Amino acid sequence: DGGITQSPKYLFRKEGQNVTLSCEQNLNHDAMYWYRQDPGQGLRLIYYSQIVNDFQKGDIAEGYSVSREKKESFPLTVTSAQKNPTAFYLCASTVLGNQPQHFGDGTRLSIL
Amino acid sequence: AQSVAQPEDQVNVAEGNPLTVKCTYSVSGNPYLFWYVQYPNRGLQFLLKYITGDNLVKGSYGFEAEFNKSQTSFHLKKPSALVSDSALYFCAVRDRDGNNRLAFGKGNQVVVIP
Repeated sequence: DGGITQSPKYLFRKEGQNVTLSCEQNLNHDAMYWYRQDPGQGLRLIYYSQIVNDFQKGDIAEGYSVSREKKESFPLTVTSAQKNPTAFYLCASTVLGNQPQHFGDGTRLSIL
Repeated sequence: AQSVAQPEDQVNVAEGNPLTVKCTYSVSGNPYLFWYVQYPNRGLQFLLKYITGDNLVKGSYGFEAEFNKSQTSFHLKKPSALVSDSALYFCAVRDRDGNNRLAFGKGNQVVVIP
């Protein structure tokens, strides 16, 4: 089945540590997105990419980094500079145009 | 910049009664509008979209939404709610330029009471 796979489902970060969240899609979608979800705040865009080897900052990019070396993969690194990383992280993808975004099942990140 | 307002934090409705979840938007030009549903610890699932054409859009699981340009609204409706409709609902908007960025509302928790 085509879809978006996020891993791991749960992740714990120690103080001063960088962690990387995986997002892989086999939908042949051009664009990929990372969102952060906090209770009562909806989804906030961290980074997005519309083409391989190119990406743009979203509304809350500070403390995060991404890469887009392959069309199907868009990993997110939560760096030690992100002082409040505890949240539910969602990856999405879509074809360019007016189609809806498809979402993975998320990674829940917590601080140890 | 585009934005969405979902004014109610929680909507309670009795099973079998009509369900309405409200959404108003702000965007320059004509919008693309979307509704998504989220169950606990899951990603968002697409319900329906408005791109152009008929103002009444029908989607998955018996949901529909009405686009009202003069009121800049896109309310989600279901004629008869089920207990299984209890979930978090998000409205989203994007403009028609090339950046493909969505702006999401903060979400509405729907509770269907048996």
